[in-house]
Amino acid sequence: DTEVTQTPKHLVMGMTNKKSLKCEQHMGHRAMYWYKQKAKKPPELMFVYSYEKLSINESVPSRFSPECPNSSLLNLHLHALQPEDSALYLCASSQEEGGGAGGRTDTQYFGPGTRLTVL
Amino acid sequence: AQTVTQSQPEMSVQEAETVTLSCTYDTSESDYYLFWYKQPPSRQMILVIRQEAYKQQNATENRFSVNFQKAAKSFSLKISDSQLGDAAMYFCAYSHAGGTSYGKLTFGQGTILTVHP
Repeated sequence: DTEVTQTPKHLVMGMTNKKSLKCEQHMGHRAMYWYKQKAKKPPELMFVYSYEKLSINESVPSRFSPECPNSSLLNLHLHALQPEDSALYLCASSQEEGGGAGGRTDTQYFGPGTRLTVL
Repeated sequence: AQTVTQSQPEMSVQEAETVTLSCTYDTSESDYYLFWYKQPPSRQMILVIRQEAYKQQNATENRFSVNFQKAAKSFSLKISDSQLGDAAMYFCAYSHAGGTSYGKLTFGQGTILTVHP
C-alpha cells in the first residue's frame, strides 16, 4: 500500500481566515514533505520533516506553519494568506534510514493534493 | 546544485505507438535516484518508474522503460503501446540518496504528453 491521503480536496479561504491542511500516511515512512505547485509548473518544496522534526524549511513565509504531531500525520496551518498563495498543495512521504540524522531516503509517494483558493 | 532539464515542453503520440521523453541532469554525486512521475489532469502525482544510479540495468515497469546513460547524465522514458490514459504531464526528477538533503526532489519543467486516438 503506497497511499497518502490529504484533506480537504478543495479549500477556499479569505485573507483573514485560519485554516489547516492535513496529510496522513500509514506506510511507516519517517520523512514527510509539503510542496506547492502552480499550474503547469513542477512542485516546489516547502518543508521536510524527518522523524517528526523539521529538517528543511525552504524559506517559506511564516503565514505557512507546518506541524508533525506523530509519524503518520503532517499538518500545514494557514493564516493571513495572499491571493498568490492559491495553488495545489501536495504532501509526500518516503522511507528514511538513519534516525533523522540525514540517512538514506528513497522514493517519495504523493497524496492527491489540496487545491487552495485564496480570495 | 543539481539541475534537471526536460527539453520537450510538449509531445504527442498516436494510440498504440511508442514515444520517448527526454531528460538530462547534472550532479556531482555518485549515489542518487532518478524518477519519472506522471501527473494527469486530476493533478495526482503518480510514480511511473524509479532508477538507482548504481544499478547498470535499465528499469522497466510494464509498458514503461528507461534508457539510463550515467556517463552522459541522460535518463529518457520510453512508453510503448501508448494508451489514452497515458496523457498527462510527465516530470523527470532527481534525488540524492543520503545525507542532509533528506531526499529533496529536483524536478524538470515537465513534458505534456498528448495521446491521439
